[in-house]
Amino acid sequence: DTGVSQNPRHKITKRGQNVTFRCDPISEHNRLYWYRQTLGQGPEFLTYFQNEAQLEKSRLLSDRFSAERPKGSFSTLEIQRTEQGDSAMYLCASSWEQGGQETQYFGPGTRLLVL
Amino acid sequence: GQSLEQPSEVTAVEGAIVQINCTYQTSGFYGLSWYQQHDGGAPTFLSYNALDGLEETGRFSSFLSRSDSYGYLLLQELQMKDSASYFCAVRALNTGGFKTIFGAGTRLFVKA
Repeated sequence: DTGVSQNPRHKITKRGQNVTFRCDPISEHNRLYWYRQTLGQGPEFLTYFQNEAQLEKSRLLSDRFSAERPKGSFSTLEIQRTEQGDSAMYLCASSWEQGGQETQYFGPGTRLLVL
Repeated sequence: GQSLEQPSEVTAVEGAIVQINCTYQTSGFYGLSWYQQHDGGAPTFLSYNALDGLEETGRFSSFLSRSDSYGYLLLQELQMKDSASYFCAVRALNTGGFKTIFGAGTRLFVKA
């Protein structure tokens, strides 16, 4: 399977714990995005990498959230001191641009439940 | 700020044509995309418009008017499997780079 993969698919944690999610993008894609989605809403932009550089970060993203993409390959999203409001689906997407058009390919997501 | 508006729900019958509208407000507008998402699934790309006009891909077409900050997705010959949520998404260029902002989605119900 050469699509975007995310691990774990599900995570249940207690409030105050740290969690880390991993995203493996499509290998030839140089852009990688993280989104958060809650029920009945569209994906909410969190951050974006071009290769290993984190170029844009949502102001909605608190200091408890951090993302890395070492060597421009896989990426990790860490949430520190989780809160119940962090419960959501965390989606990763990768893309490349061709002829001025960018297509984002989404992974299956990691569903986080904070108790 | 940046915002998108699209209807929350649309219902249509199998075989019909349905249009889902999207209006947006954003600075640094670069293009408008449409994504489909079935319950429990990930969003999948449908179309992208950077310039004014109509883009056609099989049963799906997408239209953009940059001057009106408006676009729509047209689905023809509706099938039951088209029942899903449809999101418009604005791609905007900020000082740091690109950002993609999704609308809240339109839930399409296709009836037999």
